[in-house]
Amino acid sequence: QLQLQESDPRLVKPSETLSLTCTVSSGSISSSGYYWGWIRQPPGKGLEWIGSIYYTGITYYNPSLSSRVTMAIDTSKNQFSLKLSSVTAADTAVYYCATQPAGPYWYFDVWGRGTLVTVSS
Amino acid sequence: QSALTQPASVSGSPGQSITISCTGTSSDVGRDHLVSWYQQHPGKAPKVMIYEDTKRPSGVSNRFSGSKSGNTASLTISGLQAEDEGDYHCSSYAGSLTVIFGGGTKLTVL
Repeated sequence: QLQLQESDPRLVKPSETLSLTCTVSSGSISSSGYYWGWIRQPPGKGLEWIGSIYYTGITYYNPSLSSRVTMAIDTSKNQFSLKLSSVTAADTAVYYCATQPAGPYWYFDVWGRGTLVTVSS
Repeated sequence: QSALTQPASVSGSPGQSITISCTGTSSDVGRDHLVSWYQQHPGKAPKVMIYEDTKRPSGVSNRFSGSKSGNTASLTISGLQAEDEGDYHCSSYAGSLTVIFGGGTKLTVL
């Protein structure tokens, strides 16, 4: 069973860039069977899909965040990453990485535990 | 691209059945795009309970069922148990290779 682990919680200053990684274990990030996704949840609020990436490097982003989001895959480390630029307090959230079965399915079946990112000066 | 609409809260007594609705538009739920449902306990990651509108992952109780009609998807939990208490989120493909979630529903087992 695949396992995902987000990088440690962090404090980011407004206008800076948030950077997170997700380490994949018990499976290969080069598998053609999955997309690798990021989802966030502001305190006390619902979930928001940020984007997904395929092992080939193809990316799909939430249009509302696409101008600030960059996702990448590092096959040598079995990791994928998220960068979100020009952050504000509204980007404070628990960030989850998750797997999404490849194909027209669009659901997330394996999730990391989540990591809290706080945007504050 | 707006979030799917869910009731903020629902409640039921042990043994009863409850239904949580998830309303979208003709661009997502109503366009026959696949809906999934997630259960989330406090401080924990979401867990998929229903995918592709009606399918249950291995290990999920058959007390959980999904359905869809028009622009609205529904999650029904029968034989409510205390362990079912938590937040429930729906999600749908929204076209153009994007996903949207609902605002979440807090289920209280009385």
